[in-house]
Amino acid sequence: QKEVEQDPGPLSVPEGAIVSLNCTYSNSAFQYFMWYRQYSRKGPELLMYTYSSGNKEDGRFTAQVDKSSKYISLFIRDSQPSDSATYLCAMSTSNTDKLIFGTGTRLQVFP
Amino acid sequence: EAGVAQSPRYKIIEKRQSVAFWCNPISGHATLYWYQQILGQGPKLLIQFQNNGVVDDSQLPKDRFSAERLKGVDSTLKIQPAKLEDSAVYLCASSKPLGSRGLGGYTFGSGTRLTVV
Repeated sequence: QKEVEQDPGPLSVPEGAIVSLNCTYSNSAFQYFMWYRQYSRKGPELLMYTYSSGNKEDGRFTAQVDKSSKYISLFIRDSQPSDSATYLCAMSTSNTDKLIFGTGTRLQVFP
Repeated sequence: EAGVAQSPRYKIIEKRQSVAFWCNPISGHATLYWYQQILGQGPKLLIQFQNNGVVDDSQLPKDRFSAERLKGVDSTLKIQPAKLEDSAVYLCASSKPLGSRGLGGYTFGSGTRLTVV
């Protein structure tokens, strides 16, 4: 079993839709949870960051962490064609900078 | 602030040849990472440096991969000899000290795309 599981998609939605991206994990020691966005032929860029459980909102993006279920989510409201990218969840424990990534979900938002 | 610089952007080599990748981190970032991203997968850490010392190289195939970070700044990752399964994007990242990873302190370069034929 992989430490982090993520549905690879692809996910194709119309502009303006609400998108839900999810990851599950098995290591209960994970404390830091991140979402990265990766455009084609670019490196990942940090989108959202959450420490421990709870919700965090930033504009059209909301990150949720449910440590009891070992489940994290990223919601994108009013999706735009510019949101078309691969979204990677990543996690780490409290005593290391090493990130464990999911496989990434490819999202396409069409006009 | 300049980003993480990597070169070359693309490289095509035959199996059993050698190849080297270069990374220049963000100025002042003490920690440098090399990640391998195989097509359709998430990045996987190969090696982590703190200044010029190795913190974690547990997933580095040491029989063929080597990395160094001279003077705690630039870093080079080498593969010798290359295998077909080494085809991937090699990403370099840098960060500020532990605890700042979520505050925009972990920045990736655009990567080097390696194709081994």
